[in-house]
Parts: sequence; C-alpha cells; structure tokens
Amino acid sequence: AQTVTQSQPEMSVQEAETVTLSCTYDTSENNYYLFWYKQPPSRQMILVIRQEAYKQQNATENRFSVNFQKAAKSFSLKISDSQLGDTAMYFCAYLIQGAQKLVFGQGTRLTINP
Amino acid sequence: AAGVIQSPRHLIKEKRETATLKCYPIPRHDTVYWYQQGPGQDPQFLISFYEKMQSDKGSIPDRFSAQQFSDYHSELNMSSLELGDSALYFCASSLVGAGGRVYFGPGTRLTVL
Repeated sequence: AQTVTQSQPEMSVQEAETVTLSCTYDTSENNYYLFWYKQPPSRQMILVIRQEAYKQQNATENRFSVNFQKAAKSFSLKISDSQLGDTAMYFCAYLIQGAQKLVFGQGTRLTINP
Repeated sequence: AAGVIQSPRHLIKEKRETATLKCYPIPRHDTVYWYQQGPGQDPQFLISFYEKMQSDKGSIPDRFSAQQFSDYHSELNMSSLELGDSALYFCASSLVGAGGRVYFGPGTRLTVL
C-alpha cells in the first residue's frame, strides 16, 4: 500500500523560531511529486510547496523549504522565522506522475505562540 | 488568478435525502479530484476524473456517484444520506503535464441531520 506518515501529531513553537515537520512516505514508483499543504482554521487547503522527485535540489518558497531524501523516502518541511499566521494543520502528500490520486498523511497541528 | 469554485459552500440535508455538490476547476485544468474530510481527519480520496473519464477511485460509497462534464465541471451526487456523511467535501484540480500542482477549492460543508 502506498502511504504517507507524519509522526508528529502536534507541534508548538514560539514566534520567529524555526520549526521542522517530518514526513515519510512509501511508494515503489520512481516518478512522483511531493507536497506540503497548509490547512488553517478556515479549513481551506493551501499548497505551500511542491517537490518533483526527479530533482535533487530541495524546493524553497520564501520562508518554507524542504529536505527531500529520496532514498530514505523522507520529505520534511522547514518553516523559518515562524509567524502567527503559520498556525495551521500541515499535511504532507504525494502524487504519482500519471496518476490522479493525491495521498495524504495524517497531518501535524502546528501552533505558533506569540 | 482564478481558483477552483465549489457550490454550494454549505448544505444541510436530512437523513435519506439526496445532495449534489458542484465543482468548477481552474480554467484549462483537465483533472478533477474529490475528497472527503471529517472533523480532525486527513482528506480521504473519493474519485478523480481526467479528460471527462473516471481515472482513479478511492473509498467512495456506492451511494455516491460523480461525473465530469464536457465543460470540465464535475458533480458529486450523494443519495440516501447518512449522519456519517457529514463532512467537508473538497474538489481539487490540476493540469496533467504542468508539474503536478493540485489546487483545492474552498470545500462544501455538508451537514446531515
């Protein structure tokens, strides 16, 4: 079975700190995409960052960056200079290239404290 | 930029009634996905369509059906509603070959009484 595991149900840090959310996945496919989605209290699903599995270079979007370790099937999200607005559920997910099914992890509830 | 549109945003139904949820993908996107998210849960994949054909199927109950129309909008039809169907239903869209970005709509909150 193809799965995504987020081992941290909840995390809490102070504003301006750096936080890293963990994600591991399991797939036998070689070509796929990895994502982090943010779901704030409004419950809108917002695409934060995306990584193509064939690219070794880690994706970066402003304060958000990933550490992609393909051999280890690990895809962690680092949030630098965290802000109160970063408080949300964060879901890790992957999409097999050529397939139309996004597989999600269980989510990590992140709280940024003032 | 245009986003995924879902209607209605909120829907209240009685048990055993029928509901129809609509999704309008981002213009030129050829793939639509439907997800169900219960309170405190991760989104569960229901079904997807690529170029108006069913592509992948997940844990969608037999009481549910869906289709994608010629204008690429999609509808999720839910019959014989049960209390357990109360959830947030997301539609998402993407364009095959455009880097795998999948964008979600705001969701339809269905409450079954």
